[in-house]
Amino acid sequence: SQTIHQWPATLVQPVGSPLSLECTVEGTSNPNLYWYRQAAGRGLQLLFYSIGIDQISSEVPQNLSASRPQDRQFILSSKKLLLSDSGFYLCAWDTGRGEDTQYFGPGTRLTVL
Amino acid sequence: RKEVEQDPGPFNVPEGATVAFNCTYSNSASQSFFWYRQDCRKEPKLLMSVYSSGNEDGRFTAQLNRASQYISLLIRDSKLSDSATYLCVVNFYSGNTPLVFGKGTRLSVIA
Repeated sequence: SQTIHQWPATLVQPVGSPLSLECTVEGTSNPNLYWYRQAAGRGLQLLFYSIGIDQISSEVPQNLSASRPQDRQFILSSKKLLLSDSGFYLCAWDTGRGEDTQYFGPGTRLTVL
Repeated sequence: RKEVEQDPGPFNVPEGATVAFNCTYSNSASQSFFWYRQDCRKEPKLLMSVYSSGNEDGRFTAQLNRASQYISLLIRDSKLSDSATYLCVVNFYSGNTPLVFGKGTRLSVIA
């Protein structure tokens, strides 16, 4: 069966510090991968999605970037965090074969102080 | 423009009640539809897909009205454990395109 991992689970970072969140998927190959952010009391905002290694689409221009160095690894980064980057970061995957259903990781709760 | 609209609620209902949520979407060519459930401070989880003919899973019934571009979710005999936020989700195009999530409807089932 497929599983998706995210770490860390929680993170508290000062403004201006760098960020690296990691997501890995097991039990499938060539998945589509997604990064979402959910601010407190708000809906899901799609940040990036990837249909393959080194193929990243950005949905919202901001101080975040994403990379996919391996088939089942998706990394979200920032060089300098802003207060507005606080939120719940969710990684998700689907099969990439048009079946659509997305499965989410447990998320990383980021607080920028 | 790709939009999915939901009543944010909250819906506060007693145990045993029947509650219905609606969701509207902006593109008549949309391909597939889902309801996800999100518990507080947890990740969203798939509740059910929504098929053109309507589908039922236990106490939950989902229906699709393509002509009016809305999706509904009916929960019968509500349980305390049904308390959560319910997200309406639409794939506006076929193939490798991201899903669009509504902001969710919050349900509180009260004893």
